[in-house]
Amino acid sequence: AQSVTQPDIHITVSEGASLELRCNYSYGATPYLFWYVQSPGQGLQLLLKYFSGDTLVQGIKGFEAEFKRSQSSFNLRKPSVHWSDAAEYFCAVGAYGAAGNKLTFGGGTRVLVKP
Amino acid sequence: GAGVSQSPRYKVAKRGQDVALRCDPISGHVSLFWYQQALGQGPEFLTYFQNEAQLDKSGLPSDRFFAERPEGSVSTLKIQRTQQEDSAVYLCASSPGQVFSGANVLTFGAGSRLTVL
Repeated sequence: AQSVTQPDIHITVSEGASLELRCNYSYGATPYLFWYVQSPGQGLQLLLKYFSGDTLVQGIKGFEAEFKRSQSSFNLRKPSVHWSDAAEYFCAVGAYGAAGNKLTFGGGTRVLVKP
Repeated sequence: GAGVSQSPRYKVAKRGQDVALRCDPISGHVSLFWYQQALGQGPEFLTYFQNEAQLDKSGLPSDRFFAERPEGSVSTLKIQRTQQEDSAVYLCASSPGQVFSGANVLTFGAGSRLTVL
């Protein structure tokens, strides 16, 4: 069964500084990987996804993520954080099996942005 | 509709009451998922429908939880005899097809927050 670990529960970053959120996954085959963002009281919004090909993927809002198979990681980065990036971020691994699709999420990382 | 719609957005129930949460997926979406998100945690898979067929209900925590999607569009998650541990946000998501692909990703609703007193 697949699983996702996000080692950092909280991260505080100054506005304008860079941000990196860690994600490690466990899955027996080639993974489908996702990053979602959740603002208070909102649903989950897809930031970016990796299915195959180029291991560096670009997403919305200036985010990017790099898939590293050897490290089973899919870390999310942003070069310069804006105050509006304060939210909770979830990494997820997708699997397709006999019973259909399933997304498995990590526990999330809450990002606080200091002015 | 343009997005996944969930109702009610907020529900307060007394312990022992039954509740029903509704999900309107994006029109034409084949796949529909329910997730449970406890406070401060990531979403946990509950169940998955492909059209009207419930293909995976392995995440339902007990037989008090029941989900249906009788006509392959709107879905209802029902919780009988609610307990305090059922307090959570219940998220619904839909996707156009069956298999993950570049175009077939999940779109989530805003969720229904259930508080059991």
